[in-house]
Amino acid sequence: GQNIDQPTEMTATEGAIVQINCTYQTSGFNGLFWYQQHAGEAPTFLSYNVLDGLEEKGRFSSFLSRSKGYSYLLLKELQMKDSASYLCAVYSSASKIIFGSGTRLSIRP
Amino acid sequence: EPEVTQTPSHQVTQMGQEVILRCVPISNHLYFYWYRQILGQKVEFLVSFYNNEISEKSEIFDDQFSVERPDGSNFTLKIRSTKLEDSAMYFCASRKGLEDRGSYNEQFFGPGTRLTVL
Repeated sequence: GQNIDQPTEMTATEGAIVQINCTYQTSGFNGLFWYQQHAGEAPTFLSYNVLDGLEEKGRFSSFLSRSKGYSYLLLKELQMKDSASYLCAVYSSASKIIFGSGTRLSIRP
Repeated sequence: EPEVTQTPSHQVTQMGQEVILRCVPISNHLYFYWYRQILGQKVEFLVSFYNNEISEKSEIFDDQFSVERPDGSNFTLKIRSTKLEDSAMYFCASRKGLEDRGSYNEQFFGPGTRLTVL
């Protein structure tokens, strides 16, 4: 079966750091994406991991452990505009991305 | 910066009618996708398309749905005999291919078409 789990909601404080976890069980694995989605808008690409380890891109970092079926997205120096849903998604085959249900992140001042 | 475009932004239709959702992928991209997102739910894969044929489709993508690349720029999703439960946001996406290995897997999403079936 195909299963991607991530917390439904999280709250964090402006300027702080937050880590959003994702675990997955899929029939195939060709990489893992993190997308950001604001309400009513399309997902926008944040990161892509295909090898184990940490990928850093500005205030955002993403980690992957393929053996554990685990990833996290780390957001630093949180800003109010970071309030959005964060979608963990697995490239299960060359043609198909499977999305998790998303984590709705609320940033408080 | 090139982007995926979709028209219309909002489509309202009566149950049982046919709708065609249009997408213009990024011009040098080779792979095309349709996803849908029912309000408050997760993004769901519908179909992928490469080299003028369907590469993969989900169980959602039944005989009610079809895709077409009628010319060199457009990519369409046709929904026949729409049902109330087809109401959703439909996203088109495209990706370049294998030429640029640094980021070739990134899928670029269009802004979506909100379909409302009454």
